[in-house]
Amino acid sequence: QKEVEQDPGPLSVPEGAIVSLNCTYSNSAFQYFMWYRQYSRKGPELLMYTYSSGNKEDGRFTAQVDKSSKYISLFIRDSQPSDSATYLCAMSDRDDKIIFGKGTRLHILP
Amino acid sequence: AAGVIQSPRHLIKEKRETATLKCYPIPRHDTVYWYQQGPGQDPQFLISFYEKMQSDKGSIPDRFSAQQFSDYHSELNMSSLELGDSALYFCASSPGLAGGLWEQYFGPGTRLTVT
Repeated sequence: QKEVEQDPGPLSVPEGAIVSLNCTYSNSAFQYFMWYRQYSRKGPELLMYTYSSGNKEDGRFTAQVDKSSKYISLFIRDSQPSDSATYLCAMSDRDDKIIFGKGTRLHILP
Repeated sequence: AAGVIQSPRHLIKEKRETATLKCYPIPRHDTVYWYQQGPGQDPQFLISFYEKMQSDKGSIPDRFSAQQFSDYHSELNMSSLELGDSALYFCASSPGLAGGLWEQYFGPGTRLTVT
């Protein structure tokens, strides 16, 4: 079993909808949780990060971590076509090596 | 704001040749990471450097080596290239202890094609 599981999609939603992206993990030692956005042929861009459990909001983006369930989520409100990209979750246990999920391809339909 | 710079952006090499990829981290970032990303795959960690010393090693082949220089830029040297080495190679930098080693900012990548 891979340490981090993420549905590769693709996930297609209409513009303006709320998007929910999720990852599960198996290593209970993970403490740092990140979401990266990657456009085609570009480098991953750090969107949000959280430490331990809880929620964090930044504009249209909300990251949630549920350590008891080993489950993290990224919500995108009022989705825009420019949000179309691959979203990678990533986690770290001892704050250096990052383990990535496979990424979910998201398409926002105008 | 300044970002991570990688050069070259594209590189075409033949089998058994060598390649050198360069990475210039964000100013005041002292930690550099190298990743390999195949088509449709997540980035795979290769190697990292903190303050010019190798700090961690991942799935880097013995044919590859890397170092970080006094100005904190890093180079990934790849020898005896194989077709399977064709991939996107990303460099990421981190503020290290000043910010958090997990807080990594990626460069645009170098697309290596081995023919």
